[in-house]
Amino acid sequence: NAGVTQTPKFQVLKTGQSMTLQCAQDMNHNSMYWYRQDPGMGLRLIYYSASEGTTDKGEVPNGYNVSRLNKREFSLRLESAAPSQTSVYFCASSGDRGTYEQYFGPGTRLTVT
Amino acid sequence: GQQVMQIPQYQHVQEGEDFTTYCNSSTTLSNIQWYKQRPGGHPVFLIQLVKSGEVKKQKRLTFQFGEAKKNSSLHITATQTTDVGTYFCAGPNYNTDKLIFGTGTRLQVFP
Repeated sequence: NAGVTQTPKFQVLKTGQSMTLQCAQDMNHNSMYWYRQDPGMGLRLIYYSASEGTTDKGEVPNGYNVSRLNKREFSLRLESAAPSQTSVYFCASSGDRGTYEQYFGPGTRLTVT
Repeated sequence: GQQVMQIPQYQHVQEGEDFTTYCNSSTTLSNIQWYKQRPGGHPVFLIQLVKSGEVKKQKRLTFQFGEAKKNSSLHITATQTTDVGTYFCAGPNYNTDKLIFGTGTRLQVFP
């Protein structure tokens, strides 16, 4: 089992460019999450999905969109990147919200210039 | 809003010394989870505590959940260089059930 996979690992964007971060899990989990991690800020939830076809905003959703394509895949899109979105992005999955442990992907290191 | 804070933010210790990080929530938690993130890596689940006053051990790591279920601690006995990383606590939001992560404690161990 690969667990949670993310692509790409690194990305540099210019301000205003768009991109989609991909995430997939092979653990048959219902819940999937997108977090961003900034120095000294811990992990902040951007969006989450409790099941296929449903998505909800987290703590910092502005500037992002998500799509739960199927049970395995959950993508994060930046429509018009801004320098404030420079961060490390982690995708995670779990069997249930807030109750079961979360499994994290390796992360995407994004720089917006 | 609901907050989860951790202290200290950083801790440098000599190998063999003990280490403790404290986690405090502004609200009562139904459970608390602990994660470890190695430098350049991703968070990895360590343990979950559910009961008031619960204490769990994993080798040199001891986890406690406070009686009021608003605080928790992680204690490492006789640190090793393999303990280096950032330790996060996390508890579910009382409204949404989504995990709120603490700010983390970064541990550096000098040989």
